[in-house]
Amino acid sequence: GDSVTQMEGPVTLSEEAFLTINCTYTATGYPSLFWYVQYPGEGLQLLLKATKADDKGSNKGFEATYRKETTSFHLEKGSVQVSDSAVYFCALSETGANSKLTFGKGITLSVRP
Amino acid sequence: DTGVSQDPRHKITKRGQNVTFRCDPISEHNRLYWYRQTLGQGPEFLTYFQNEAQLEKSRLLSDRFSAERPKGSFSTLEIQRTEQGDSAMYLCASSVLTANTEAFFGQGTRLTVV
Repeated sequence: GDSVTQMEGPVTLSEEAFLTINCTYTATGYPSLFWYVQYPGEGLQLLLKATKADDKGSNKGFEATYRKETTSFHLEKGSVQVSDSAVYFCALSETGANSKLTFGKGITLSVRP
Repeated sequence: DTGVSQDPRHKITKRGQNVTFRCDPISEHNRLYWYRQTLGQGPEFLTYFQNEAQLEKSRLLSDRFSAERPKGSFSTLEIQRTEQGDSAMYLCASSVLTANTEAFFGQGTRLTVV
């Protein structure tokens, strides 16, 4: 079945540091890939997505590129801010009738001033 | 529209009791999903509705769980004879009927079974 593997956390960085959060996936078909973020006290919200190989999703300074050859969708940001402190989930959705999401375990990012 | 709304936000119940949660999706969203999230894990798919039809159920959804979406608008998730292992965050999400579009999540209902 489908699965998503995220690097182990938590991650603690200083403000303005470079961020990489690794994500790899296993899928039977040709999935779409997503990063969702959960800020403290809030619900999950979409951060960015990519629907085909070599697509780059970007939002709020975050980027991730769909790499079919390595089955990866790593999240990067050049300079993190304290406000980026949150839990980040990588997810996939198979092309099909219901577009349900399969999530990774999530990783907690803490950014200190 | 204020987004996906879930009620209650928190529920504490004794083992063996029945509980029911409600989800109000974003208006005009045909798709509605229920997920369960336990501590340190990502959300896991439970069930999916397209309008009022329940089209998929995960094997995680034991026969003690039932979900409905009677008029294709709000949905309810009922757990009968709750067990301590049912303690989790129950998330509802909705989306439009387009492949791989964004799913909008509610803030969830946190269930604690004591």
